[in-house]
Amino acid sequence: EVQLVESGGGLVQPGGSLRLSCAASGFTFSSYIMNWVRQAPGKGLEWVSSIGGSSTIYNADSVRGRFTISRDNAKNSLYLQMNSLRAEDTAVYYCARNGGHDDYYYYMDVWGKGTTVTVSS
Amino acid sequence: DIVMTQSPDSLAVSLGERATINCKSSQSVLHSSNNKNYLAWYQQKPGQPPNLLIYWASTRDSGVPDRFSGSGSGTDFTLTISSLQAEDVAVYYCQQYYTSPRTFGQGTKLEIK
Repeated sequence: EVQLVESGGGLVQPGGSLRLSCAASGFTFSSYIMNWVRQAPGKGLEWVSSIGGSSTIYNADSVRGRFTISRDNAKNSLYLQMNSLRAEDTAVYYCARNGGHDDYYYYMDVWGKGTTVTVSS
Repeated sequence: DIVMTQSPDSLAVSLGERATINCKSSQSVLHSSNNKNYLAWYQQKPGQPPNLLIYWASTRDSGVPDRFSGSGSGTDFTLTISSLQAEDVAVYYCQQYYTSPRTFGQGTKLEIK
């Protein structure tokens, strides 16, 4: 079964840091572009960052310079290092697989259940 | 950035009736090289992650009931549920994957009348 399981969320103060993880199983992880998508409370979906199998990276303007996406293909894991966190980063963060293997311009066909990040003093 | 605008923001439909959700993109998402519309639809039930329903504007994902259909081309798209079931209560999002950043519509909340 194809599965994505996020972890690492929690409560952090403004200006703080947090590292999210996503464990993948049931497919050849290294062959797929992986994504982070977030959803603020009561709001819609916002793409955050993507990374290809060969580590090509795409970032949303809202997180560029603060968030760093990475992956460990040997561990079938995706990460999001979040620094300089702001209140507006409060959201559920989803890990999602690209449907088109290593083609960035594709839909997202598998989603994890998400991990909640709350930025508050 | 391509702006995706859905209408309506919410709608209530009786069980067994047709539900129609519209999505308009601020520029065309039809790729001339392959004649494909880079448009997907997702369903998000309360407390759950999004679930892919439709991609390439009209292709149903595996396991999606055939009461769900997608149509449209260029800048105007529609998601239709032919006969609403109770389990279809959810928020529906369209998304373009033609350019970066890949952007979503604001969502349409579908309820039972």
